[in-house]
Amino acid sequence: DGGITQSPKYLFRKEGQNVTLSCEQNLNHDAMYWYRQDPGQGLRLIYYSQIVNDFQKGDIAEGYSVSREKKESFPLTVTSAQKNPTAFYLCASSIGQGARAFFGQGTRLTVV
Amino acid sequence: GQQVMQIPQYQHVQEGEDFTTYCNSSTTLSNIQWYKQRPGGHPVFLIQLVKSGEVKKQKRLTFQFGEAKKNSSLHITATQTTDVGTYFCAGGGGSNYKLTFGKGTLLTVNP
Repeated sequence: DGGITQSPKYLFRKEGQNVTLSCEQNLNHDAMYWYRQDPGQGLRLIYYSQIVNDFQKGDIAEGYSVSREKKESFPLTVTSAQKNPTAFYLCASSIGQGARAFFGQGTRLTVV
Repeated sequence: GQQVMQIPQYQHVQEGEDFTTYCNSSTTLSNIQWYKQRPGGHPVFLIQLVKSGEVKKQKRLTFQFGEAKKNSSLHITATQTTDVGTYFCAGGGGSNYKLTFGKGTLLTVNP
């Protein structure tokens, strides 16, 4: 979807290293989300934020951290505490409660 | 917490056959959304249903929201190869912004 950008598209890291995934939106949306996608598992919510300087844990927050210092940006850090970090990570945003989500192109993270 | 179950997990059809995927929530939803993800791509919004018993159509796609607002279905008539992908439902509920996704149904179409 136009207006939400994730970078990079592919990312490789060594085990034990922290890595930060970028997510930027120019849609003026209040809400932003991070999902993890594994084969056969659908989309699992990691963190979400309803407003600047506030965020909530999703269903699988352990080993991840986020910040929301600006409305446009919601970076996700995959820490070394995440036991199985290799996955496809999707960032999304929505204008408000219950509204449709716009997804970025995703970042495919591989930890070796 | 809220759970959204989706069946079947996989569906393979011959081109021209119909296809249906079903979504069930453990709690009453404020709305249900449907997304399509092409292989290698990201989820793209298809539609949102809000009202109890609502039915919406988009060409060959028919979306329904149950009377109790706890279940939904997506039906595709006469599938085409361009319909290939994973179809997700996502339930919005309560007073927060959280969307809960089903695990999706992967549709493959044999030409």
